[in-house]
Amino acid sequence: DAGVIQSPRHEVTEMGQEVTLRCKPISGHNSLFWYRQTMMRGLELLIYFNNNVPIDDSGMPEDRFSAKMPNASFSTLKIQPSEPRDSAVYFCASSLNSGNTIYFGEGSWLTVV
Amino acid sequence: AQSVTQLDSQVPVFEEAPVELRCNYSSSVSVYLFWYVQYPNQGLQLLLKYLSGSTLVKGINGFEAEFNKSQTSFHLRKPSVHISDTAEYFCAVSDRDSSASKIIFGSGTRLSIRP
Repeated sequence: DAGVIQSPRHEVTEMGQEVTLRCKPISGHNSLFWYRQTMMRGLELLIYFNNNVPIDDSGMPEDRFSAKMPNASFSTLKIQPSEPRDSAVYFCASSLNSGNTIYFGEGSWLTVV
Repeated sequence: AQSVTQLDSQVPVFEEAPVELRCNYSSSVSVYLFWYVQYPNQGLQLLLKYLSGSTLVKGINGFEAEFNKSQTSFHLRKPSVHISDTAEYFCAVSDRDSSASKIIFGSGTRLSIRP
């Protein structure tokens, strides 16, 4: 299996621009997670889906952030407009039910200047 | 709601010395427990997990952890570390009674190995 696939791996964008991060979970997994990692705040859960339905989005920082999962094989995390404080590594992860291993992608490194 | 506390943000040890990384959790329900490792510039990968049964869990790379329900702890240990173990280690917890439970991570412990 190819694992969790994220794109882009690296993005540098200007403040105010829209950023879209993409994720393809492992085939057959029914839970998908978006995490953000920074030096200051560590690893934060932003939102997670189960069977394509958002279950908990309490970690989404503000209205500038939105996530969708239109089908079982694709999810997006969008930031609009982006701000320098959004600079971080964004990880997508997937798993098959609770208690099973959660598999991480390699991350999308976002820099907003 | 669950939470995870990793008391040590950094742990320096000498090569071939033993190490213990501490993890305590808080939860009102039964839990699954995990340890993940993150090497530089990479995503997290599973080291080991406790689901049920024996409280001593063995994982990859010679690591093991012991689930202690009375102390709500899940400390990670390795009897002899190598330079290649230099990484950040995350303890995590999820609700075992829900099929759609999120996984909560601790703040991480950075393990640095000195030759």
